[in-house]
Amino acid sequence: DTAVSQTPKYLVTQMGNDKSIKCEQNLGHDTMYWYKQDSKKFLKIMFSYNNKELIINETVPNRFSPKSPDKAHLNLHINSLELGDSAVYFCASTTQGAVGQYFGPGTRLTVT
Amino acid sequence: KNEVEQSPQNLTAQEGEFITINCSYSVGISALHWLQQHPGGGIVSLFMLSSGKKKHGRLIATINIQEKHSSLHITASHPRDSAVYICAVWGGADGLTFGKGTHLIIQP
Repeated sequence: DTAVSQTPKYLVTQMGNDKSIKCEQNLGHDTMYWYKQDSKKFLKIMFSYNNKELIINETVPNRFSPKSPDKAHLNLHINSLELGDSAVYFCASTTQGAVGQYFGPGTRLTVT
Repeated sequence: KNEVEQSPQNLTAQEGEFITINCSYSVGISALHWLQQHPGGGIVSLFMLSSGKKKHGRLIATINIQEKHSSLHITASHPRDSAVYICAVWGGADGLTFGKGTHLIIQP
């Protein structure tokens, strides 16, 4: 069974569109994250949720809105997509006592 | 904000060689992660350290909290170890801060 899953794996869309990326974990973890990996492969945290509450919100445009309907899900909605949003987005989860964070497979977003 | 520096940025070695990747950070932390990203893009968490040393198979990770430094070692390296290795430090409210990664190639 996949521990952390993301959908879709690939997303190609045009500038100005609104899109969502979904993340689900079946590990029973209570903390989930969204990371962005840019074209230079540099990873940076975007958001963190603990028990459905936002605890980290880095300097990210407000076009990005995370939504956590329950502890197992953290979705990322992006409005008015821009070319610079093209990147790979990783979801991850963890809990106290876990050995590190468990990463999803990533969603490659291409904005044309 | 923590600054995380990794060295080397690129490393090519022959199969069987002992590999060392270094990570330094600027501000005290509660934990340090070593991650592995394969050419296909997936990220795997290798270790989480807050002190001392951990070993998993041919991989060894050490951390020196006083010197703000960690190393990842690979013994008897193999071509399947070829990947990008990323150091990340956990700073509490700042979440994880990542190094830029070390691109490792092990040639047969």
